[in-house]
Amino acid sequence: AQSVTQPDIHITVSEGASLELRCNYSYGATPYLFWYVQSPGQGLQLLLKYFSGDTLVQGIKGFEAEFKRSQSSFNLRKPSVHWSDAAEYFCAVGARYNTDKLIFGTGTRLQVFP
Amino acid sequence: DAGITQSPRHKVTETGTPVTLRCHQTENHRYMYWYRQDPGHGLRLIHYSYGVKDTDKGEVSDGYSVSRSKTEDFLLTLESATSSQTSVYFCAISDSSSQETQYFGPGTRLLVL
Repeated sequence: AQSVTQPDIHITVSEGASLELRCNYSYGATPYLFWYVQSPGQGLQLLLKYFSGDTLVQGIKGFEAEFKRSQSSFNLRKPSVHWSDAAEYFCAVGARYNTDKLIFGTGTRLQVFP
Repeated sequence: DAGITQSPRHKVTETGTPVTLRCHQTENHRYMYWYRQDPGHGLRLIHYSYGVKDTDKGEVSDGYSVSRSKTEDFLLTLESATSSQTSVYFCAISDSSSQETQYFGPGTRLLVL
């Protein structure tokens, strides 16, 4: 079955520390992978996406993610977290020409301490 | 930001009443989606549309219907609202021009008493 797992429900980091949010997927076809961020009371904003090519993808706000096919993972990273990064982060997987099948993880809530 | 609006943004209603949520886009994108977001479940697809008058069910479609009479509008109707439909509802759009990337509206917070 197709699925996305975000193992960490809640992560707390200090401002300036590095961050890695985990995402594992199970998908039969070649996946398209996405990370979205949701600030409190807001909609989802696209951070980055992987379709093909370079497995290290750069996104907005200084985030990057690496696609590792052998590990079925697409972890999100940021070298130095800012207080404004506190939000909920969602990983999602889909496939081209199959746009109805975008599957979301349950999210990771990031808290940032000063 | 993609031109997506949702109305109303907040609604309180009573069990058994009909409710219609509206999603409006100005991007002329072909695909439109309705999701619900609940704690511990992430986002779950309710219905989606792949063109005017072309719709299909998603993962959690029971109790919901949709209509799309114009490219820019996608309506979600709860025929008889239940407390289990208390949720935050998000509309999204996508198109081949966006490489099927889905862009989301601001959400509608619905409380069914």
